[in-house]
Amino acid sequence: QQQVKQSPQSLIVQKGGISIINCAYENTAFDYFPWYQQFPGKGPALLIAIRPDVSEKKEGRFTISFNKSAKQFSLHIMDSQPGDSATYFCAASRGGYSTLTFGKGTMLLVSP
Amino acid sequence: DAGVTQSPTHLIKTRGQQVTLRCSPKSGHDTVSWYQQALGQGPQFIFQYYEEEERQRGNFPDRFSGHQFPNYSSELNVNALLLGDSALYLCASSPAPSTDTQYFGPGTRLTVL
Repeated sequence: QQQVKQSPQSLIVQKGGISIINCAYENTAFDYFPWYQQFPGKGPALLIAIRPDVSEKKEGRFTISFNKSAKQFSLHIMDSQPGDSATYFCAASRGGYSTLTFGKGTMLLVSP
Repeated sequence: DAGVTQSPTHLIKTRGQQVTLRCSPKSGHDTVSWYQQALGQGPQFIFQYYEEEERQRGNFPDRFSGHQFPNYSSELNVNALLLGDSALYLCASSPAPSTDTQYFGPGTRLTVL
């Protein structure tokens, strides 16, 4: 049973465009939703995270939008750059347990 | 400030063998979690160690075991290796077991032939 579903599997965006990756979760006990960025041969790096008490969080070019009633959240990358080309994972965890359930990942390619 | 470190970087084993992977957490972190990342997939939680005890465990067989030392470093042991155990093994640390933010190491790439 996949508890966090991520889409699309891959995404190609032109430089300067907006990249949008979506995730849906099933377990309503989840209360922490991070996004990780992973480059080939590297471990995942925390990008940005949100909790259900807010609907949006912005850090630089990265924004998380959160819809609690729909059990969905998304990552928006504004002004996408070739250096953003990586695999992005959404994840979720329950309070007090700090173990992450990951989506399957989205491979983003930003064309110059 | 050193981040999470893992050794070795790469490892090749044959079916039936045993392997030990090592992890040193980020300075100030006392909780270590291990994840398995198959090719093209997201990481899957194996188990978490805190105060030298296994605190939580994911859906992995008993062939997967671990240990945490007094200095908070940790080992992941896998016995009777199967071809399907080939994956990137990631270690993550956090400053407390109830802290959501986890910092990942670069991983150990295990290939089972």
